[in-house]
Amino acid sequence: AQTVTQSQPEMSVQEAETVTLSCTYDTSESDYYLFWYKQPPSRQMILVIRQEAYKQQNATENRFSVNFQKAAKSFSLKISDSQLGDAAMYFCAYRTLTSGNTPLVFGKGTRLSVIA
Amino acid sequence: EPEVTQTPSHQVTQMGQEVILRCVPISNHLYFYWYRQILGQKVEFLVSFYNNEISEKSEIFDDQFSVERPDGSNFTLKIRSTKLEDSAMYFCASSPTEPVLASSTDTQYFGPGTRLTVL
Repeated sequence: AQTVTQSQPEMSVQEAETVTLSCTYDTSESDYYLFWYKQPPSRQMILVIRQEAYKQQNATENRFSVNFQKAAKSFSLKISDSQLGDAAMYFCAYRTLTSGNTPLVFGKGTRLSVIA
Repeated sequence: EPEVTQTPSHQVTQMGQEVILRCVPISNHLYFYWYRQILGQKVEFLVSFYNNEISEKSEIFDDQFSVERPDGSNFTLKIRSTKLEDSAMYFCASSPTEPVLASSTDTQYFGPGTRLTVL
């Protein structure tokens, strides 16, 4: 079974600075997706960014980018120019690319605080 | 922008009672999911649903749980006899398709969740 590990329970960053959240995963598959979801205090799950494993190029979405290292099974999230609204729980998630209605497998999350 | 909605936002029930959590997925989506998150823990998969059938379910999804799509819009999760350990946030999610290579059409969009408290 696939597992996702987030080794940093909590992180903090100064406003306007850059922070990197770590995620590693374990799988024997070659094709899969990886995601970062954000969960603000409202507890809604919001998709931040996704990465297809077959793509060499790291995904970017505005201030959010990933460092995807397939061989190392590492998928870190970099938040640039951090804003107060970035404060939230961040979950790394994995999804297999086999056919069917496959679920997301989540890590335990990293709580990010942004200091003004 | 279309979004997944869930009702109620908070449900309080007595142990042993039945609860039904409701979700309205995004209208053109075909794949539906329930996840739960016990306070302070990670989000866990419960069940996925397609074409009026359960596609996959986790060990958590035992005989006390059931899902249904009673009409063209709602997707419900029923817990027959709630236990204290069922207290959690329950998230519904939907996606247009199953996993598709080189496409983002399988992205799962989550609802705001229902906080279930079992006393």
